[in-house]
Amino acid sequence: QKEVEQNSGPLSVPEGAIASLNCTYSDRVSQSFFWYRQYSGKSPELIMSIYSNGDKEDGRFTAQLNKASQYVSLLIRDSQPSDSATYLCAVSDNQGGKLIFGQGTELSVKP
Amino acid sequence: GAGVSQSPRYKVAKRGQDVALRCDPISGHVSLFWYQQALGQGPEFLTYFQNEAQLDKSGLPSDRFFAERPEGSVSTLKIQRTQQEDSAVYLCASRKGAPTGELFFGEGSRLTVL
Repeated sequence: QKEVEQNSGPLSVPEGAIASLNCTYSDRVSQSFFWYRQYSGKSPELIMSIYSNGDKEDGRFTAQLNKASQYVSLLIRDSQPSDSATYLCAVSDNQGGKLIFGQGTELSVKP
Repeated sequence: GAGVSQSPRYKVAKRGQDVALRCDPISGHVSLFWYQQALGQGPEFLTYFQNEAQLDKSGLPSDRFFAERPEGSVSTLKIQRTQQEDSAVYLCASRKGAPTGELFFGEGSRLTVL
């Protein structure tokens, strides 16, 4: 079992819809959780970080964390074609701060 | 520089050749990470430095892979006797300090082994 698991997709949503991306992790000591966006041929860029249970909102993005279920998700409201990218979930244990990434979910937003 | 700089951006090597990939992190960033990303996969952790100390090299796939950061700034990832399975994008990332902080990635070095 991989330490961080994501559905690879592709996930296709129409423009203006809500895109829901999910991630599970296996290490219960994990403390920090991140969502990175990676456009094709580009490097990952951070879009959200979350450290405590519950929801964290930033513009059109909401990250949700449930440590009991070892589950973290990202919601993108009012999806735009420019949101089309691969979304990477990453988990850190706060000791060395090494990030473990999932395989990424490819999102396609259709105009 | 303003961001993490990696060179070369593209490298083609014949199987068996040695390659060296360079990473120049953001000035003042204490931590430096190397990741390997195969096509269609997420980045896989290779190794991590805090200043000049290599604190974790558990992700290096074999003893052909070696990384150093002798002065706590620029880092070099060296791959000896390259194999076709080494073909990937090698990403370098740096972080200012706290383990909870953001990783800033370079554009990567794409290695193709023929």
